[in-house]
Amino acid sequence: AQSVTQPDIHITVSEGASLELRCNYSYGATPYLFWYVQSPGQGLQLLLKYFSGDTLVQGIKGFEAEFKRSQSSFNLRKPSVHWSDAAEYFCAVDGDTGRRALTFGSGTRLQVQP
Amino acid sequence: NAGVTQTPKFRVLKTGQSMTLLCAQDMNHEYMYWYRQDPGMGLRLIHYSVGEGTTAKGEVPDGYNVSRLKKQNFLLGLESAAPSQTSVYFCASSYQRLASTGELFFGEGSRLTVL
Repeated sequence: AQSVTQPDIHITVSEGASLELRCNYSYGATPYLFWYVQSPGQGLQLLLKYFSGDTLVQGIKGFEAEFKRSQSSFNLRKPSVHWSDAAEYFCAVDGDTGRRALTFGSGTRLQVQP
Repeated sequence: NAGVTQTPKFRVLKTGQSMTLLCAQDMNHEYMYWYRQDPGMGLRLIHYSVGEGTTAKGEVPDGYNVSRLKKQNFLLGLESAAPSQTSVYFCASSYQRLASTGELFFGEGSRLTVL
């Protein structure tokens, strides 16, 4: 069965600093990978997705993620964090063709210091 | 467009009571999902539907039932609520199989407390 691990529960960065959120997945073949963001009191919004092709994908709000098959990773990055990026971030995988639904990681809460 | 609308947004139940959460989407999406979100556990799939009249079990279906009588609505029922079902519930929808579009559209969540 597919699974997603986000090893960092909580990360704090200073505004303007770079950011990297880690995501590792477990799946036999090449999965479809996603990053979602959840602002306080809101539902989740898609940031970016990887299906195939170029392993570096660009998303909304200046985020990007890199798929590394050898490390089973799909880390999310942003070169310069803004205070409005404070939120919870979820990595997700869709690789189970039978279930037709996403499996989410446990999330990483990002705090941005002024 | 309203997108995905969940009602109610907040509810407090006593153990053993029943209730239904309603999810409505106005995007003509085929697929609909119910997830629960608990601290440190991310989102876990309860049930989902790939079209009107169909439902399927997800990761944590026990204690819940669902129905999809109309394409735009997906109902989540708790027949006999338990404290372990205290959670935030999210409904989501997608136009087609996620591998094609990659995007779930989420409601704002329903916070349920079972005393």
